[in-house]
Parts: sequence; C-alpha cells; structure tokens
Amino acid sequence: QSVLTQPPSASGTPGQRVTISCSGSSSNIGSNAVNWYQQLPGTAPKLLIYSHNQRPSGVPDRFSGSKSGTSASLAISGLQSEDEADYYCAAWDDSLNGWVFGGGTKLTVL
Amino acid sequence: EVQLVESGGGVVRPGGSLRLSCAASGFTFDDYGMTWVRQAPGKGLEWVSGINWNGGSTGYADSVKGRFTISRDNAKNSLYLQMSSLRAEDTAFYYCARWVIPAAIVDYWGQGTLVTVSS
Repeated sequence: QSVLTQPPSASGTPGQRVTISCSGSSSNIGSNAVNWYQQLPGTAPKLLIYSHNQRPSGVPDRFSGSKSGTSASLAISGLQSEDEADYYCAAWDDSLNGWVFGGGTKLTVL
Repeated sequence: EVQLVESGGGVVRPGGSLRLSCAASGFTFDDYGMTWVRQAPGKGLEWVSGINWNGGSTGYADSVKGRFTISRDNAKNSLYLQMSSLRAEDTAFYYCARWVIPAAIVDYWGQGTLVTVSS
C-alpha cells in the first residue's frame, strides 16, 4: 500500500489530454514539493516535473503539473504514442522522514 | 553530463549480505545528497535510504532500518549501500539517484542493479 494514491491505469487517444491524480496528506504533498517521474518500459525513472509544476530542460511543455492542498495532478496534452509509460508522483514526508511514492499509473495510448 | 552507474547486484541467499556501489560523474558529487530507491520486478518505487552531502545525516525506510547502511566516499565520487540479513522481499532493482536536498528534488537516476534474494 503506497502512501500516495494514484489510479493504477489511464488511457487516451493520440492528441487527447489526459490527467493523472496523486492524493496524499498534510505531511507530504500538503507541505512539500511534488515531483513526477516517467518510466518507460525497461528503463530507469526520469524526472518529468519538479516542485509541483516545473519542467527540467528537455521535457516538452505538453507535460504540466499542479497541486491543490494535499493532492497533485499531472496533465499530458497532445498525447503521443511515445508517452505510453508508467508515471509516479513523489514527495518528501515530514512524518516518515523519507520519500514517499505513489503506486504508479500505467498510461496506455490507444 | 550527469552519470550514475550502479554495480554489485547479484543473487544472494536469504540472510546473506551484499554491497552495492554507485559511481557518479558529470557533477560536483559533494554538492549533493544521494539516495537509493528500489523497485521489485513489476512493482512500484520504494525509497530505501538517503544521505546528505558529507555523510553526516542519513535516513532509512522502516523496512530496511537496522539491516542496510548507506555511506559515501566523496574522494571517490561514490555512494554505497551495505545490505545484510537480506530477505526475499528485498529482491528488486536498486537505483541510486541524486538528491537536491534543499529543493526536495530527486533528479538524476542510474540504470539500476538487480538484487535477487533466493535460496
């Protein structure tokens, strides 16, 4: 059971906009930055969004993040086949004194 | 270019020990915290341990506390994870990653090394 809650799956057709939610608590998302990672099959996670809504250089602006209270969301617009991957949210947890992750959302591009 | 290369994974019997290493390059190693995250095959990500820039502060997940020890050698640009009393549930890919502590960001990840605990 993951500390952060994500839907196990999401899907969309090319060109569509998809959102993935991440629910936490006051000790993690409520008080710390949220990061999002993309993990393509057989590869290591890659940082997609940090500090709720910032993109590292090289990440397309089709990817955006937001946070409200103890929840966060990742939005992917203009969905492409290469976006098919697992997506994870993460935040530091002040109570556990460690990083906590969501269980991951498998995105399928139909 | 930031590079993190893990090594030391393999097959070990339950109760055994293993030491993982992570060689860092492409950045000033002692400017950053470092962390280990694991992923059981087909499962999600789980934080294992973290260490600050000089090794003076460390943290562990409850699942590994007392069995794993994180350390670093800034002169060798290397991070380590000493694992003992290994259990079947420790079987996973172990990733080392760079941790920007003040900003709460884990940004660059290595490719991982597989640890299999099996009799």
